[in-house]
Amino acid sequence: NAGVTQTPKFRILKIGQSMTLQCTQDMNHNYMYWYRQDPGMGLKLIYYSVGAGITDKGEVPNGYNVSRSTTEDFPLRLELAAPSQTSVYFCASSPFTPDEQYFGPGTRLTVT
Amino acid sequence: GNSVTQMEGPVTLSEEAFLTINCTYTATGYPSLFWYVQYPGEGLQLLLKATKADDKGSNKGFEATYRKETTSFHLEKGSVQVSDSAVYFCALIDNDYKLSFGAGTTVTVRA
Repeated sequence: NAGVTQTPKFRILKIGQSMTLQCTQDMNHNYMYWYRQDPGMGLKLIYYSVGAGITDKGEVPNGYNVSRSTTEDFPLRLELAAPSQTSVYFCASSPFTPDEQYFGPGTRLTVT
Repeated sequence: GNSVTQMEGPVTLSEEAFLTINCTYTATGYPSLFWYVQYPGEGLQLLLKATKADDKGSNKGFEATYRKETTSFHLEKGSVQVSDSAVYFCALIDNDYKLSFGAGTTVTVRA
């Protein structure tokens, strides 16, 4: 099993550009999550999903959108990139409860 | 709301030294508590957990005890190795079923 995979690993965006961060898990987990990690701030939850077709906002959803059309995929969309979105983004999944989460390797995004 | 406070780093140790990372929390209910570890260039991994008061979580020589009276979940290891160099995150899940993380503590172990 590959676990949780994320693409790309690194990306530089100009202000106002759009992009989609991809996340795929092959463990048939129901729950999936997107976090951002800012230096010295820990992880903040952006969006989460409890199953295909169901998504909900986390602590810091502004400027982002998600969809969950399949169990495996949970892409994160940035529509109008801003410097405040410079961060490391982690996708995670868990089987039946949010208890034990499995994390992807992260995407480092810089907006200039 | 829920919050997790952990000791600020960075922490630098010599091999075989004793490691303690303090973690305290505030929560409205009866949370489950976790320590996650992030090795360089990787995502977070669950290190250990405890789901009720006085439970002790342990893994890879690390231990942490859920202390409800002091709202703490301090991480300890008796003899660290260079391979333990990583960022350690304390976290909790409360009734809202969302993980709340501390800011992370960077640990560097020198040979």
